Amino acid sequence: GDSVTQMEGPVTLSEEAFLTINCTYTATGYPSLFWYVQYPGEGLQLLLKATKADDKGSNKGFEATYRKETTSFHLEKGSVQVSDSAVYFCALSGYNQGGKLIFGQGTELSVKP
Amino acid sequence: DTGVSQDPRHKITKRGQNVTFRCDPISEHNRLYWYRQTLGQGPEFLTYFQNEAQLEKSRLLSDRFSAERPKGSFSTLEIQRTEQGDSAMYLCASSLFARGAGSPYEQYFGPGTRLTVT
Repeated sequence: GDSVTQMEGPVTLSEEAFLTINCTYTATGYPSLFWYVQYPGEGLQLLLKATKADDKGSNKGFEATYRKETTSFHLEKGSVQVSDSAVYFCALSGYNQGGKLIFGQGTELSVKP
Repeated sequence: DTGVSQDPRHKITKRGQNVTFRCDPISEHNRLYWYRQTLGQGPEFLTYFQNEAQLEKSRLLSDRFSAERPKGSFSTLEIQRTEQGDSAMYLCASSLFARGAGSPYEQYFGPGTRLTVT
């Protein structure tokens, strides 16, 4: 079935370090890909999206490129801040998934000053 | 646009009691989704509505769970005879699913209802 696999956390970085969180997927059809972020005690916020192959989603300094050939959607940021500490979820959804989101298990990021 | 709201934010109940959660989606959104999230895991799909019609239910949704969206606006999720295994965060999301809509698979989440069954 359809699935999303993320790198395991927690990931601990110093402020201004480079961030990569790996995400790979298995899916039928041509789903849209998403990164959501969850701050402690809150719901999920959409961080960025890409709707077709080679699209690059970006927001708040974060970027991810939809790579169909490697079935990946890795999240990157050039310089992380303490305020980026949160749990990050990779997800997919599309016609073949009936519109429901299929999530990875989440990757916790902790940024130290 | 006030976003997706959920009520209550926290619920503590004793095993065997019934609980009901409410979700108010973004007003112009026609689809409403329920997910369950346990500690350290990603959200898992439970069920969704398009307008007032319930179009899909996950096998995770046992007979003790029921959801409604009577007028195609707010939705309720009821759990009967709660069990300790029902303890989780229950998330609601909404989306505008329509021809010509910018991104029909993009969903917006509420803050969630955290259920603790003692």
